[in-house]
Amino acid sequence: GQNIDQPTEMTATEGAIVQINCTYQTSGFNGLFWYQQHAGEAPTFLSYNVLDGLEEKGRFSSFLSRSKGYSYLLLKELQMKDSASYLCAVRDLRGATNKLIFGTGTLLAVQP
Amino acid sequence: DVKVTQSSRYLVKRTGEKVFLECVQDMDHENMFWYRQDPGLGLRLIYFSYDVKMKEKGDIPEGYSVSREKKERFSLILESASTNQTSMYLCASRRRDSKYGYTFGSGTRLTVV
Repeated sequence: GQNIDQPTEMTATEGAIVQINCTYQTSGFNGLFWYQQHAGEAPTFLSYNVLDGLEEKGRFSSFLSRSKGYSYLLLKELQMKDSASYLCAVRDLRGATNKLIFGTGTLLAVQP
Repeated sequence: DVKVTQSSRYLVKRTGEKVFLECVQDMDHENMFWYRQDPGLGLRLIYFSYDVKMKEKGDIPEGYSVSREKKERFSLILESASTNQTSMYLCASRRRDSKYGYTFGSGTRLTVV
């Protein structure tokens, strides 16, 4: 079956670093995505990992370990505008499908 | 800038009504998807479409149907709306050979009373 787990909520301080973890179980893994979603808005693409290792993009980095079924999103120099939900999603290639399976999201609150 | 447009931002319908949610993309994408998003449950896939006139059931298709008569438009139909279909509905699209994820629309918050 498919299972994606991430913490429900996290709180961090402006200027700090926060790491949001995601673990997954899927039989047809072909990439892991992180999306950001502000309240009442559409999810927007942040990062994509298909090979093990760290992908860095400005203040945001994402890490993947396929053998452990584990990823994290690292946010540096936190800003108030980073308060949002962060969605972990796995691309599943079982059968003829090519679809994203989402976790329930982690609501990050950045405090002054 | 690429766009996925959902026709309504907010919608209120009565139980038993037939409801149409429209989604249009201007990127010539082959794949289109309908998700619903509920607190504590995340995004769940209702239906998706590989290409024009093609459709596949997702994880929660019961009570829904879809139509893809033109490449740019993917419609979600609630045959007889019920209160448990009150939710945020998100449409997304993707180019078939893209290694990246989806482009999402802004969502339609549907309330069934």
